[in-house]
Amino acid sequence: DAGVTQSPTHLIKTRGQQVTLRCSPKSGHDTVSWYQQALGQGPQFIFQYYEEEERQRGNFPDRFSGHQFPNYSSELNVNALLLGDSALYLCASSLSAGGQETQYFGPGTRLLVL
Amino acid sequence: SQKIEQNSEALNIQEGKTATLTCNYTNYSPAYLQWYRQDPGRGPVFLLLIRENEKEKRKERLKVTFDTTLKQSLFHITASQPADSATYLCALAVLYGNNRLAFGKGNQVVVIP
Repeated sequence: DAGVTQSPTHLIKTRGQQVTLRCSPKSGHDTVSWYQQALGQGPQFIFQYYEEEERQRGNFPDRFSGHQFPNYSSELNVNALLLGDSALYLCASSLSAGGQETQYFGPGTRLLVL
Repeated sequence: SQKIEQNSEALNIQEGKTATLTCNYTNYSPAYLQWYRQDPGRGPVFLLLIRENEKEKRKERLKVTFDTTLKQSLFHITASQPADSATYLCALAVLYGNNRLAFGKGNQVVVIP
């Protein structure tokens, strides 16, 4: 079992550009959550996808959008990048059924906006 | 406002001693609380989960307590080892019935050989 995988591992963009980050959940997991972690801070919840729908959303602007595919993998898109979007972007997967609360995190994508 | 507070100062501890970390929260009513370990540049790794009706949970050298009256969780690493050096994150389930997590900033532990 490969666990949660994310790509790319690192990315450098300039202000105003758009970026797409990808996540494959742990085998058997159907729920994907995305978090943003700025340096020295804890992860902040962006949104969660289940059954290809956005189920919950944190306090992030509409520039942040996502998608979940039938195979449960997910993408995070950020438009009109700002310097403040520089962070580690984490994907976490979990199983929705049966009260499985444990979330498994991927290694993250380090995004630098110049 | 809602807050999750962990000590911002790194905890330096001698190998073999017990490390104790604190997580305090305000304006949350979490169904459960989790502790994660995070190494530099890596994603958090799940360690322990404790529910609102549980007082204590143990796993190997780790122990977590949860006091919903004090709104506090304590995380203990007994017989600490240099390999335990990492940042430890406290996370609360924001709403009952879902697994959206709110995290503290984390507390760094440095175990000195």
